[in-house]
Amino acid sequence: AQTVTQSQPEMSVQEAETVTLSCTYDTSESDYYLFWYKQPPSRQMILVIRQEAYKQQNATENRFSVNFQKAAKSFSLKISDSQLGDAAMYFCAYRSGNAGGTSYGKLTFGQGTILTVHP
Amino acid sequence: NAGVTQTPKFRVLKTGQSMTLLCAQDMNHEYMYWYRQDPGMGLRLIHYSVGEGTTAKGEVPDGYNVSRLKKQNFLLGLESAAPSQTSVYFCASSYPRAGGTEAFFGQGTRLTVV
Repeated sequence: AQTVTQSQPEMSVQEAETVTLSCTYDTSESDYYLFWYKQPPSRQMILVIRQEAYKQQNATENRFSVNFQKAAKSFSLKISDSQLGDAAMYFCAYRSGNAGGTSYGKLTFGQGTILTVHP
Repeated sequence: NAGVTQTPKFRVLKTGQSMTLLCAQDMNHEYMYWYRQDPGMGLRLIHYSVGEGTTAKGEVPDGYNVSRLKKQNFLLGLESAAPSQTSVYFCASSYPRAGGTEAFFGQGTRLTVV
């Protein structure tokens, strides 16, 4: 079974600085997708960034980028120029992509990291 | 375009009562999911479905049942509620096109079992 681990329950950063959130996962599959979601106090889940396992290039979305290390099964999120609006719970997620596999389509989340942004 | 809609938004149950949470999506998504969110434990997958008429167990299926009779709806049932099922429940849906389309989430249901 696939597992996703976020080892940092809480992180903090000063406004305008950079912070990195860690995520590791365990899988025996070769085809999968990784995601970072943001959950502000409103509880709404918002996609931050996605990464396809077959792509070597790290995904980037404006101030958000990932460091995808497939061999190490690591998928960290870097937030540059942090803003007060970035304060939220962040979840790392894994989705199986092996068509026909027993876990096809299963979407598994980590425990989450609470990010605080100090002005 | 409503996206993913969960009903109800809040509910208080007495131990032993039953209820059904409804999730409806209007995006023609194939995959649908039910999660529960508890402090310090992230989102844990209860059950999921990869298509109409199919369901599969997630990490914490005990005490819950699901049905996907129509593609747009995914129902989560609690047959005999227990205080341990007090949680926030999220429904999500996605369409597994090439490129790994993300999941879209409902607004959550806060359930309290007393």
